Parts: sequence; structure tokens; C-alpha cells
Amino acid sequence: DSGVTQTPKHLITATGQRVTLRCSPRSGDLSVYWYQQSLDQGLQFLIQYYNGEERAKGNILERFSAQQFPDLHSELNLSSLELGDSALYFCASSRSGGAAETQYFGPGTRLLVL
Amino acid sequence: GEDVEQSLFLSVREGDSSVINCTYTDSSSTYLYWYKQEPGAGLQLLTYIFSNMDMKQDQRLTVLLNKKDKHLSLRIADTQTGDSAIYFCAESIENQAGTALIFGKGTTLSVSS
Repeated sequence: DSGVTQTPKHLITATGQRVTLRCSPRSGDLSVYWYQQSLDQGLQFLIQYYNGEERAKGNILERFSAQQFPDLHSELNLSSLELGDSALYFCASSRSGGAAETQYFGPGTRLLVL
Repeated sequence: GEDVEQSLFLSVREGDSSVINCTYTDSSSTYLYWYKQEPGAGLQLLTYIFSNMDMKQDQRLTVLLNKKDKHLSLRIADTQTGDSAIYFCAESIENQAGTALIFGKGTTLSVSS
């Protein structure tokens, strides 16, 4: 158990809908990362937050957005969903977001868009 | 751009050693990581190596780093059926904007008894 929690575990929805994925980092970690794992693209970095502020952006679509709240939990919002958005979405956390820090991953949310 | 390459499959017999190889592109990566993903599960950090080290040993795991060739390997001694999983190599990329892990596509290790 990494100490990072994600909800829900599974999510099934329809194209065009909007969903919110939630992540709680390990106790004491200030930085949160979101990754998408799909069969064709592999594991891709989406976005990083540190202490409530966006720090780095990766291959995140404009239809997707995220935020980190004062209690440090984070939400990833996916809107106008398409079939290709079906994937496993991971959240990770680290102490202060530097490259020299280990990122600990949550169990993931499996999203299926029908 | 950044790219991490791994072979896709490796098949070994129980008790043998497994060696999973990885090449990366960013010479400024501070840490290089190995993560394990079992079927239907999340990513589990196995081990990592700091970029100024050549080797790190942790029980059955040995990580070798050739920084000149940007080559990383993970050796699992006495491989067990429970080691069957996907193994991801990752490099940390940091710039002024922030930090990200760049992952390879993963190597599926199949261990037969």
C-alpha cells in the first residue's frame, strides 16, 4: 500500500459525458501527479501540482483539467469524453515535487467510455 | 524529445535470472526507476538508482546503470512465478516548469514453472 488513494476504482460512462477522478496523496506529500495508461500510448504524464498550484503540464488534452485543493487532495476532470479516453488513470504523490524524489502511485481509476 | 525504450516481452523459467533492459535519452535525469505492475493492479515502486551510481543491489534485484550509453538494466535473481508482471523503466525529467516521469512501454515478464 503506497498511501496514495484514488476513487472511484472503476468508472463506466458514455461518450460526451464528464467525470471527476479523485486522489488523496500520501500524508505529508505536497505534490500530486496525474498519469494516463492506455494500450496504445502506454503511461503518459498529464499534469503536476504542488501545494495547490499547477507546476508542469504534459500531454493533457484541453478537455481535461485538474486542480489541487487546500487539503492537498486533487481532482482530474475529464469532459466531452470520447471512446479513446478509456484508460487507467493514475495519481502519484511526492514530498515536494523535485526530480530527485520518488513518486508513489495510487491503485488507479479504470475509466471505460462506451 | 524524451523517450524510454524497453523490449516488450521476456520469458524465463522459474529459478533462472531475468534481465530487463531499458534505454533512455535524457542525460540530465537525476534518478532512474523500475516499477512493477501486476495484472489489474497499480504501479509499485521496485527500486531506483541515482544517476551517479553504477550499480545498486536490493535483495534479489540488481540495477546496473551505464550512463555513457544511457542504458539501464534490472536483474531479478532466482525468478519466481510471482515475479510475472509488467516492468516499467522510468526516467525523471525536471525543468523550470516542474517534474515528470517518462515511462517506457513496459516489459511483460512471464515466468513458467
